[in-house]
Amino acid sequence: RKEVEQDPGPFNVPEGATVAFNCTYSNSASQSFFWYRQDCRKEPKLLMSVYSSGNEDGRFTAQLNRASQYISLLIRDSKLSDSATYLCVVIGSGNTPLVFGKGTRLSVIA
Amino acid sequence: DAGVTQSPTHLIKTRGQQVTLRCSPKSGHDTVSWYQQALGQGPQFIFQYYEEEERQRGNFPDRFSGHQFPNYSSELNVNALLLGDSALYLCASSLALAGGLQNIQYFGAGTRLSVL
Repeated sequence: RKEVEQDPGPFNVPEGATVAFNCTYSNSASQSFFWYRQDCRKEPKLLMSVYSSGNEDGRFTAQLNRASQYISLLIRDSKLSDSATYLCVVIGSGNTPLVFGKGTRLSVIA
Repeated sequence: DAGVTQSPTHLIKTRGQQVTLRCSPKSGHDTVSWYQQALGQGPQFIFQYYEEEERQRGNFPDRFSGHQFPNYSSELNVNALLLGDSALYLCASSLALAGGLQNIQYFGAGTRLSVL
């Protein structure tokens, strides 16, 4: 089983739609969780950290379920500019490196 | 404030050659991590440098080596290049926290390596 698994995608949605991405991780000792966004042929950029209490940043909401080892990202009112690959990232305990999922590609269509 | 910078942006090599990629971390950062991202995949951790030493290493062969300099910049060297080494090589910098905890990593734009 891969350490971090994401929905395969791609997701093709119309502008204004709500879309949800899911991610599961295998290391129950994992401590930190993030969503990164990567545009085509660009570097990954931090979108948001994910906390057990859930967190929201504008149209983006991230949730963490430690019992199920599951992370989600919800995007409301999708914009064309949201088209990108969304990477789920997990850090184990201590100073272990970032472990990336394969990424889920989103295309928002006018 | 310059972010993470990498050079070169693109590189074409042939099998068996050697390559050196360079990274300058974001101002104030002291830790550099290197990742390999093959097409359609997420980045895979190669190694991390802190205080001029390799602190952690991913599942990559010894052909992949690195160095960190006193100014925190870093190099990634790959010897005996294989076709499968073609990928985007990303450098990420961060600031080490007390207790060995990790701070958020910021990525450079990467070096796209093509091995023919």
